Amino acid sequence: AQSVAQPEDQVNVAEGNPLTVKCTYSVSGNPYLFWYVQYPNRGLQFLLKYITGDNLVKGSYGFEAEFNKSQTSFHLKKPSALVSDSALYFCAVWGAAGNKLTFGGGTRVLVKP
Amino acid sequence: EAQVTQNPRYLITVTGKKLTVTCSQNMNHEYMSWYRQDPGLGLRQIYYSMNVEVTDKGDVPEGYKVSRKEKRNFPLILESPSPNQTSLYFCASSLSFGTGGTQYFGPGTRLTVL
Repeated sequence: AQSVAQPEDQVNVAEGNPLTVKCTYSVSGNPYLFWYVQYPNRGLQFLLKYITGDNLVKGSYGFEAEFNKSQTSFHLKKPSALVSDSALYFCAVWGAAGNKLTFGGGTRVLVKP
Repeated sequence: EAQVTQNPRYLITVTGKKLTVTCSQNMNHEYMSWYRQDPGLGLRQIYYSMNVEVTDKGDVPEGYKVSRKEKRNFPLILESPSPNQTSLYFCASSLSFGTGGTQYFGPGTRLTVL
């Protein structure tokens, strides 16, 4: 069975500082990895995904994520956080042999001015 | 505009009263799915559909039904809702499955069962 772990329920960061949201996964075969963001009272918005190729993936709103196969991790990063980045972030994995997207429990990011 | 729509956005109902949450997408996507979101549990898949007339159970299908008679629509049916089905529900679609296609989500339906 595939699974995703987001070890931090909440991450607090000052505006302008680097932001990192952690994600580790477990899946059979090659993984397809995703990050989604959810703003209050909104649906999930796609940020970025890793399918194959370069381990560093760049996505929307200045976010990027690094795929590390040996550590089975896919951490989300942003060099300089904005107050408007405050939201709930979900990591998800789609196993190549599967037919569903499995989500982590989510990490709430709070960026303080 | 390419989008997934859900209706209603908010619903308060009572135990046992049948309800349907509609989902529609205008992107000609083959794959559609329903999730429920509960605090600390992330999103859990209820049912999915790979194409018209093809549906299958996800991780938490008990108490739910779905149908896929048309490509664009994928309604979620609660025949006899119970309080433990109080949750935030999302419909999603993607062009295909099994190839890492990006899923696009609807705005969500907040359901309260009293």
